[in-house]
Amino acid sequence: AQSVAQPEDQVNVAEGNPLTVKCTYSVSGNPYLFWYVQYPNRGLQFLLKYITGDNLVKGSYGFEAEFNKSQTSFHLKKPSALVSDSALYFCAVRARGSGGSQGNLIFGKGTKLSVKP
Amino acid sequence: DAGVTQSPTHLIKTRGQQVTLRCSPKSGHDTVSWYQQALGQGPQFIFQYYEEEERQRGNFPDRFSGHQFPNYSSELNVNALLLGDSALYLCASSFGGFHEQYFGPGTRLTVT
Repeated sequence: AQSVAQPEDQVNVAEGNPLTVKCTYSVSGNPYLFWYVQYPNRGLQFLLKYITGDNLVKGSYGFEAEFNKSQTSFHLKKPSALVSDSALYFCAVRARGSGGSQGNLIFGKGTKLSVKP
Repeated sequence: DAGVTQSPTHLIKTRGQQVTLRCSPKSGHDTVSWYQQALGQGPQFIFQYYEEEERQRGNFPDRFSGHQFPNYSSELNVNALLLGDSALYLCASSFGGFHEQYFGPGTRLTVT
């Protein structure tokens, strides 16, 4: 079965410091991986995706993620955190589709990022 | 260009009632997926519509049903509401292939 694990419920970072939000996955075949961010009482906003190609993927708002096939990880990173980055972050893997459809997204439970001034 | 829109924003229903949630996909998108997000959890896949047919379904009972219209908009219907159905319901749209899904702001359903 395909799954996503986000081992940290919360990550605390000082503003200006680098941040990492961890994600590991379990999937058969090549993984399609995504990061989304959710602000309070809002829907999910797409940050970045890995389909194929370079292991370092750059996304919105200065975020990037590193795909590591041997460790089955897709950690989200940012060189310098901002207070406004404080939110809930979800890692997701796309399940295999069938019958001409796209596979649905399987989400981790989320990691709350708190950036303090 | 409007993104994914959902209505209503909030909804309060009583156990046993029925509810209909609506979603309009992002312009150019043809696939709509619905997710349920319980408090403190990640979104859980309910079902996906493409070409007006349910193409995939998650582990949700038949009380959850849906529809996709020719203009690609979609409805989610839940019958015989239970307290446990209280959640944020998210609609996501996409266009074929490996493209990312774009989410709407969600409908907060409270069942009392």
